[in-house]
Amino acid sequence: GENVEQHPSTLSVQEGDSAVIKCTYSDSASNYFPWYKQELGKRPQLIIDIRSNVGEKKDQRIAVTLNKTAKHFSLHITETQPEDSAVYFCAGSSGANNLFFGTGTRLTVIP
Amino acid sequence: DAGVIQSPRHEVTEMGQEVTLRCKPISGHDYLFWYRQTMMRGLELLIYFNNNVPIDDSGMPEDRFSAKMPNASFSTLKIQPSEPRDSAVYFCASTLSQVEAFFGQGTRLTVV
Repeated sequence: GENVEQHPSTLSVQEGDSAVIKCTYSDSASNYFPWYKQELGKRPQLIIDIRSNVGEKKDQRIAVTLNKTAKHFSLHITETQPEDSAVYFCAGSSGANNLFFGTGTRLTVIP
Repeated sequence: DAGVIQSPRHEVTEMGQEVTLRCKPISGHDYLFWYRQTMMRGLELLIYFNNNVPIDDSGMPEDRFSAKMPNASFSTLKIQPSEPRDSAVYFCASTLSQVEAFFGQGTRLTVV
């Protein structure tokens, strides 16, 4: 199946700075790449997703970029706020409609 | 819809006992996933179903793990016999064909 790798595993930024989380995938057939946010003790929830027919998608302070040739995609959070502190997971899905997750990035925004 | 419902929320059991985790997906969703979450390995896909049929169970760690989906509104994940290394949070998620996957609140399993 798909193998999704995610870096870094932990990330600390000052409030107001940007945060970038990177993922790579192995299955060239993968065509759907969601990002999930998991707050402490809660379930993962979708924050943004991108499909393979576009290279970038933006939603307010969050953006995701996709490079199909290199098989990597990234999450960008600008103007970070303390409430952005959480664990973020990337995922990849092929036409088989499975959903494989990276191992997560624990983001800490320091006030 | 109340979302994906998992039970129990917490389970503490002794090594060697059988454990059954339950999941009710969102009505109308045709995919159901079981994940295991640990600090070391993150979110691991164990098995997923499409229209109640198991599609890929390659993530199931051992024969001690089994999953069923007897109908569109119910799935179980069973561990028999349980071991301390099975301790983790188990999530069930459902989706409608490659759109947002909705997760249940998870079952925190502790095997002592």
